[in-house]
Amino acid sequence: NAGVTQTPKFRVLKTGQSMTLLCAQDMNHEYMYWYRQDPGMGLRLIHYSVGEGTTAKGEVPDGYNVSRLKKQNFLLGLESAAPSQTSVYFCASSYEGRARNEQFFGPGTRLTVL
Amino acid sequence: DAKTTQPPSMDCAEGRAANLPCNHSTISGNEYVYWYRQIHSQGPQYIIHGLKNNETNEMASLIITEDRKSSTLILPHATLRDTAVYYCIVKGAGGTSYGKLTFGQGTILTVHP
Repeated sequence: NAGVTQTPKFRVLKTGQSMTLLCAQDMNHEYMYWYRQDPGMGLRLIHYSVGEGTTAKGEVPDGYNVSRLKKQNFLLGLESAAPSQTSVYFCASSYEGRARNEQFFGPGTRLTVL
Repeated sequence: DAKTTQPPSMDCAEGRAANLPCNHSTISGNEYVYWYRQIHSQGPQYIIHGLKNNETNEMASLIITEDRKSSTLILPHATLRDTAVYYCIVKGAGGTSYGKLTFGQGTILTVHP
């Protein structure tokens, strides 16, 4: 099992450019999440999905869109990148959203917007 | 979900027990206490969770007070590889809090030789 993988690992964008971050999990998890982490801070939830074809907003959704066309993949899109979106992005998944189930995290994507 | 309060940093000597406290005085009856850690910018890693009773696994022990207003994560024999940021998270079991983890600032644990 690869667990949770994220592509790419690093990316530098110019302001206004767009990109898509890919998260994939091979654990057949229902729930998937996108977080961002800024220097010296904890993770903040951007969007999440409770199943294929469904998405919902998290704590900081503005400037991002997501799609969950396949159960194993969760895509995070930036349509027009801004310097404020410079951050480390983590994807996570869990079997279901009950309190008893742990979240498994990917290694992160470091994004710099110039 | 209830808020948590943790000390910003702690030190521990290698081989000794590391006891990390967490305050969650507003926790409600159906909320679990979770502990995660993050080693040097890697993705967070689940450690342990509990509801009322003390819990132990291969990584750590979790002691929850009887009134559930605070808890302590215990790493019985800390190693240098345990140096990380430790997050105490209280998460509800239903409603809109399904699945969502709220990360605070955590405790930076430094294990020194």
